[in-house]
Amino acid sequence: AQSVAQPEDQVNVAEGNPLTVKCTYSVSGNPYLFWYVQYPNRGLQFLLKYITGDNLVKGSYGFEAEFNKSQTSFHLKKPSALVSDSALYFCAVRDSNTGFQKLVFGTGTRLLVSP
Amino acid sequence: DTAVSQTPKYLVTQMGNDKSIKCEQNLGHDTMYWYKQDSKKFLKIMFSYNNKELIINETVPNRFSPKSPDKAHLNLHINSLELGDSAVYFCASNPSGLYNEQFFGPGTRLTVL
Repeated sequence: AQSVAQPEDQVNVAEGNPLTVKCTYSVSGNPYLFWYVQYPNRGLQFLLKYITGDNLVKGSYGFEAEFNKSQTSFHLKKPSALVSDSALYFCAVRDSNTGFQKLVFGTGTRLLVSP
Repeated sequence: DTAVSQTPKYLVTQMGNDKSIKCEQNLGHDTMYWYKQDSKKFLKIMFSYNNKELIINETVPNRFSPKSPDKAHLNLHINSLELGDSAVYFCASNPSGLYNEQFFGPGTRLTVL
């Protein structure tokens, strides 16, 4: 069965600095990887996804993520953090072998950007 | 023009009651989901329907019963509510296909007293 690990409960970064939110995955087939963001009292919003092709994926709000097959990682990055980026970030994976459309989420990482 | 909507937004009720949460999407998607997010923000899938057919049914007490009257609607009925059912419930949808992202509703915060 597929799984996702987000090793950090919280990431703290100063505004203007680069940020990285880590994600590693485990699948039996090919991974389809997603990042979502959740602001307080809101639903999840899609940021970006990796399906195939270029390992560097660009998404909404200046975020990007790098797929690394050998390290089974899909870390979320942004060159310059904003205070408004403070939120809860979820990594998720689908396994091409499952046959269903089950999306498994990580435990979430809280990003706190200080002014 | 809300893409995925849920009603009600808040639901406060007593233990033992029966309640329903409704979800509607106007995106033309054929797959819909229910998720439960607990107090630690863990997100767990409960059910999924594709074209009104149940395709994912995780280990959920049978007090929870989903119903999909048509492709655009997926409702969740909960019988004999327990304290542990208190959580935020999210509805989501996507077009069929493993590589399609899900669109989430705003959530329903259920509090069981």
